[in-house]
Amino acid sequence: QVTLNESGPVLVKPTETLTLTCTVSGFSLSSARMGVSWLRQPPGKALEWLVHIFSNDEKAYSTSLKSRLTISRDTSKSQVVLTMTNMDPVDTATYYCARVNSLLPFDYWGLGTLVTVSS
Amino acid sequence: DIVMTQTPLSLSVTLGQPASISCKSSQSLLHSDGKTYLYWYLQKPGQSPHLLIYEVSSRFSGVPDRFSGSGSGTDFTLKISRVEAEDVGVYYCMQDKHLFSFGPGTKVDI
Repeated sequence: QVTLNESGPVLVKPTETLTLTCTVSGFSLSSARMGVSWLRQPPGKALEWLVHIFSNDEKAYSTSLKSRLTISRDTSKSQVVLTMTNMDPVDTATYYCARVNSLLPFDYWGLGTLVTVSS
Repeated sequence: DIVMTQTPLSLSVTLGQPASISCKSSQSLLHSDGKTYLYWYLQKPGQSPHLLIYEVSSRFSGVPDRFSGSGSGTDFTLKISRVEAEDVGVYYCMQDKHLFSFGPGTKVDI
């Protein structure tokens, strides 16, 4: 059974750095066809893709947010970590991690974690 | 970057009747490998999104056959042959020919 579980702070202050962890089970992060993305959804708004890590550890970043994002993984812990610097209230959103399985992007999603940016 | 647009943004449907959503991309989603990288997702109220259609017209595992996708190049359509109550939510089209980008979503209610 494939699961993804996001964890991290529910509240961050403006200018702080956000760190979120996605813990996966039911598949291996180092499997040739697997990757994990982070996405977000501000309240009442559309989905936005942020960053992806491939099975070979290559990364792909959203053009608009590239300078603020870092993605990494710990295959021994089955975890993918997102960091986003210089948080702003407009970054308030539910943050999701989702699996990309070869030609099936985002076939499994986590439940999401709501992050509020406020002083 | 590839920009995705959808119409309509809101759709009220009648149970048992058909429904259709249009999605357009700012550039062709046809890849040199011959595949077209267009997908549809449904986000039901209070839930995470889930995959409905991949590569324009293939239904993901467990998706009812009342859902169908069509289109090519830059113009795509999702059709529901007979809307059921469980189909309410926001439908998103998405491309991954170049990175990933979603449309603005179409909210479907009864």
